Amino acid sequence: GENVEQHPSTLSVQEGDSAVIKCTYSDSASNYFPWYKQELGKGPQLIIDIRSNVGEKKDQRIAVTLNKTAKHFSLHITETQPEDSAVYFCAEQSNFGNEKLTFGTGTRLTIIP
Amino acid sequence: KAGVTQTPRYLIKTRGQQVTLSCSPISGHRSVSWYQQTPGQGLQFLFEYFSETQRNKGNFPGRFSGRQFSNSRSEMNVSTLELGDSALYLCASSLGPRREQETQYFGPGTRLLVL
Repeated sequence: GENVEQHPSTLSVQEGDSAVIKCTYSDSASNYFPWYKQELGKGPQLIIDIRSNVGEKKDQRIAVTLNKTAKHFSLHITETQPEDSAVYFCAEQSNFGNEKLTFGTGTRLTIIP
Repeated sequence: KAGVTQTPRYLIKTRGQQVTLSCSPISGHRSVSWYQQTPGQGLQFLFEYFSETQRNKGNFPGRFSGRQFSNSRSEMNVSTLELGDSALYLCASSLGPRREQETQYFGPGTRLLVL
């Protein structure tokens, strides 16, 4: 994949509310979509991923949805907590050609206590 | 199991110098990828090594190079440093090559400042 757009670039939500981050991609051959969380002074950490044969995946308060037809995928965080404050990156990868991960530009999520 | 380690954590160099960064992957991981992270360009893929061979390379000039040793440890080198090379350099390891889409585990990064 060559291009991933991520929105919004910043997001502030009240503690306990939900947060949604969206990404769109252009490569129809993309088939792997991970989400990473990066806290200050640390490297990105994988929080959830989804493959193109699945439309939705959940892990406790985190869920990811994928719409291959529209070429977009979203991260949903429910019941947000202060420790969810971080920068979140989406990424995509194709199994064809250059197999590198292409990252979105990041979303800075702030949870307001 | 210890995570990905990178050394040094911080580095200050001047233009024209060269620098070598080191990455030790998680034990048993054979793939190491390098990324450059800057506020303006975000996370950009540099290259991937698997079994001591470079498998993929991003769009960076030849001043950026790397290698992987038989124990899977990897180094990246930047020669003739430019101010724009100031960035956080991240290393990520996975069990197999990127083609297999296994989880990548990132290290804390090396923050390089070029003056």
